[in-house]
Formats: sequence, C-alpha cells, structure tokens
Amino acid sequence: GAGVSQSPSNKVTEKGKDVELRCDPISGHTALYWYRQSLGQGLEFLIYFQGNSAPDKSGLPSDRFSAERTGGSVSTLTIQRTQQEDSAVYLCASSLFRLAGSYNEQFFGPGTRLTVL
Amino acid sequence: EDQVTQSPEALRLQEGESSSLNCSYTVSGLRGLFWYRQDPGKGPEFLFTLYSAGEEKEKERLKATLTKKESFLHITAPKPEDSATYLCAVQQVSGAGSYQLTFGKGTKLSVIP
Repeated sequence: GAGVSQSPSNKVTEKGKDVELRCDPISGHTALYWYRQSLGQGLEFLIYFQGNSAPDKSGLPSDRFSAERTGGSVSTLTIQRTQQEDSAVYLCASSLFRLAGSYNEQFFGPGTRLTVL
Repeated sequence: EDQVTQSPEALRLQEGESSSLNCSYTVSGLRGLFWYRQDPGKGPEFLFTLYSAGEEKEKERLKATLTKKESFLHITAPKPEDSATYLCAVQQVSGAGSYQLTFGKGTKLSVIP
C-alpha cells in the first residue's frame, strides 16, 4: 500500500522567504507528526495531530513555524521568514491511534530537504 | 530530562563479522522502544518495537533485545546491504512523550565486502 508521501523532496529558498511543506499520511492513520533532522543531530519532534483534537505544538522552535491539518488527512508545515538555521530535513510520520497502554509504530515519509541560502 | 544515547556513533564491519549496537535510555516510564533503519536521503524505516524488559524480536540478520536501561541491536553475519544508520527511539507511558518519539543520534553502520 501507499506509504507517507511528502512534497517537495527538496526546497531551496532565500533567507526571509516563506515556505510550505506538505505531508500525505497513510490512509486511515489518524495521528500525524512532524519532526526535523538537522545534520549531526537526532530527530527533533515539532508537532503532533490526532483526529479532531487540538494539536500539540510544544516542539515548534519559534512562532515562525506553524502547521495545519485539513480534513484529518493532509498536513502543511509553514515556515515564515526562513533563517539559515532552519536548514534541515523535515520528516512527517503517521500512525494508527491506539488506546492508552499500547504502542504505536510511526511510519515516516521520505522527508523534505530544506536549504535556506 | 529523557535521554537516548546510542553507541558507537559509527561502526565498520567486514561482511560476516557479527556485532551489536547499543541504545541506553533514561525515561520516566517506558511505553515502547523503537528501532529504525535510515538509508541516506530517505526517511526512517520501522524495524522493531520492544515494550517490556526481556523481550526479543528478530528479523532476518537483526535481533533486538531490551533491558530496563538499554536495548541492543545484534547483527549476525552482516551483508553490505545492511549498511545504514540505525536509530533508536523511546516513547513514554504518559505526558507529552506518550506519543512523540525521542530519538538517539544513531549509529552509522558500514559493512565492507
């Protein structure tokens, strides 16, 4: 079946411009996550969506970052006024939502490599 | 603060030379420990979930084990196609970490023919 897809695969932008990154989760997965992977660093959690609940935005590094999820499916991560330190690979993952006490594997997309010049 | 530490950072093995990767963790209540494989330019690929000490899981040449403080990924008779970065991640029982994964920085494995 189709996995998580992300677009674009690569994005080069100039400092100060806004960018939008898109994620299409696996069909039927109600939970969606964004992570950031910087060179030499581990994956860093950014934001979590679950169904119609309010998203957990606790990992967003600044108010220049925002995300939305429309219709419980596709998500868009927006970075305003990009800075060079925003350069990284942005990864999206989705999972089934399981009841408390059980685990949930997260399945990742291929990522969007963002380069801010 | 929850932490996940992987060692070594990089490992070079000859084809057929078995070894283990380590993931040590400190978390206030472990819900699950996850192993992923990541190839260059790609997203992490799910390998295993472990959620109780003593548990073991196997897939081809890989076997993951879990204790109360660490997990090992054993690679038996590796092949060049096993070359990748192996990531370990933990999920907490409750709170914000109950859904997000906290990742280590990974072990880059190179298997030489």
